[in-house]
Amino acid sequence: EPEVTQTPSHQVTQMGQEVILRCVPISNHLYFYWYRQILGQKVEFLVSFYNNEISEKSEIFDDQFSVERPDGSNFTLKIRSTKLEDSAMYFCASMSAGEPQNEQFFGPGTRLTVL
Amino acid sequence: LAKTTQPISMDSYEGQEVNITCSHNNIATNDYITWYQQFPSQGPRFIIQGYKTKVTNEVASLFIPADRKSSTLSLPRVSLSDTAVYYCLVGATDSWGKLQFGAGTQVVVTP
Repeated sequence: EPEVTQTPSHQVTQMGQEVILRCVPISNHLYFYWYRQILGQKVEFLVSFYNNEISEKSEIFDDQFSVERPDGSNFTLKIRSTKLEDSAMYFCASMSAGEPQNEQFFGPGTRLTVL
Repeated sequence: LAKTTQPISMDSYEGQEVNITCSHNNIATNDYITWYQQFPSQGPRFIIQGYKTKVTNEVASLFIPADRKSSTLSLPRVSLSDTAVYYCLVGATDSWGKLQFGAGTQVVVTP
């Protein structure tokens, strides 16, 4: 069964450093998403991406965040200058446009720890 | 997106049926009801989706009354591995947009 993969599984960084979280969505999917989940809290939407551009972003997704699909397979989330409060699990998801139901497939997540 | 309300937690024993009810009083005509499951330190996983009446798959059943203001996820004969957080989400499937997760229902299954 195809699945979304994410690397690294755990990233530790110093405050102020840049990090890039990588995702490989399911190959025939067209819609891509990033979510985050702070420990003990709910899953929060960050951004959706379609046709090589952002289709929607939340208020969390400020100027320090960016997304990119640099080639036909990878989908990345960059955090330019990490803050302590960016520590969380970051989940990538992808979705096809097929019927009858459109479900988002989530990756296993990257645990980001900012020190 | 319609607001949803579901219990914070539910406890069950192995082999029992677990029913989680979600309220969504402001559901719109084109909204579907979708349930996701999340194990600790894993991404959410789609379980089931429905519009009205009853939907059943190999994992669960989803019961939706005629007024669609609530829905019930039924997990038959749960096992320890069904311990997870279960999320009820309401929205249009043609929006291709974000999923808005609430706090979910923590289900704990014990022997």
